Amino acid sequence: QLQLQESGPGLVKPSETLSLTCTVSGGSVARTGYYWGWIRQPPGKGLEWIGKIYHGGSTYYNSSLKSRIAMSVDTSKNQFSLKLSSVTAADTAVYYCARQYGGFFDYWGQGTLVTVSS
Amino acid sequence: EIVLTQSPDTLSLSPGERATLSCRASQSVSSSYLAWYQQNPGQAPRLLIYGSSSRATGIPDRFSGSGSGTDFTLTISRLEPEDFAVYYCQQYGTSPETFGQGTKVEIK
Repeated sequence: QLQLQESGPGLVKPSETLSLTCTVSGGSVARTGYYWGWIRQPPGKGLEWIGKIYHGGSTYYNSSLKSRIAMSVDTSKNQFSLKLSSVTAADTAVYYCARQYGGFFDYWGQGTLVTVSS
Repeated sequence: EIVLTQSPDTLSLSPGERATLSCRASQSVSSSYLAWYQQNPGQAPRLLIYGSSSRATGIPDRFSGSGSGTDFTLTISRLEPEDFAVYYCQQYGTSPETFGQGTKVEIK
């Protein structure tokens, strides 16, 4: 059974960079045909797609966040990562990593709350 | 980007009743690339339907999806206690992938 687990700081100061890692078990990030994505959900609100990465390193980002996002993948560790720079309180959210197959998300991590506050 | 509008915002029903949730897109969704998810409080969303009408693995057949173009529907034929949750639609035919704002199905 594929499992995904987010990890990273739960508190980030304004203007700093949010960094999260997703560790995949029970499957390989290098498997052909699957993207690995990030989605966020502000408290009490809906879902926002952040971006996705393929094991070869190709990335696709939401244009609303594109200037602040960087994603990477480490096939040797079976992990992929998200960096979001210049954060503000508006970036406070539960961040989910997920496997993206053909565009929809079939496996999700449990999510991690990241709060932006000084 | 394609904006998805779900209706109603809240649906109050009793166990055993039929639930009909709507998702309307601001422009046509390519190849019916529309998915539905269920989210319970404090949990990650769970994939229910993809390709507008295909059930994901392990999803009971009381869940069904339909629609094309700009109008899509999720139907729960007989509500079970565990079905009271928030439901989101998502289109993945045009980048960026976008989600609707959600419909909460609550116990009447």
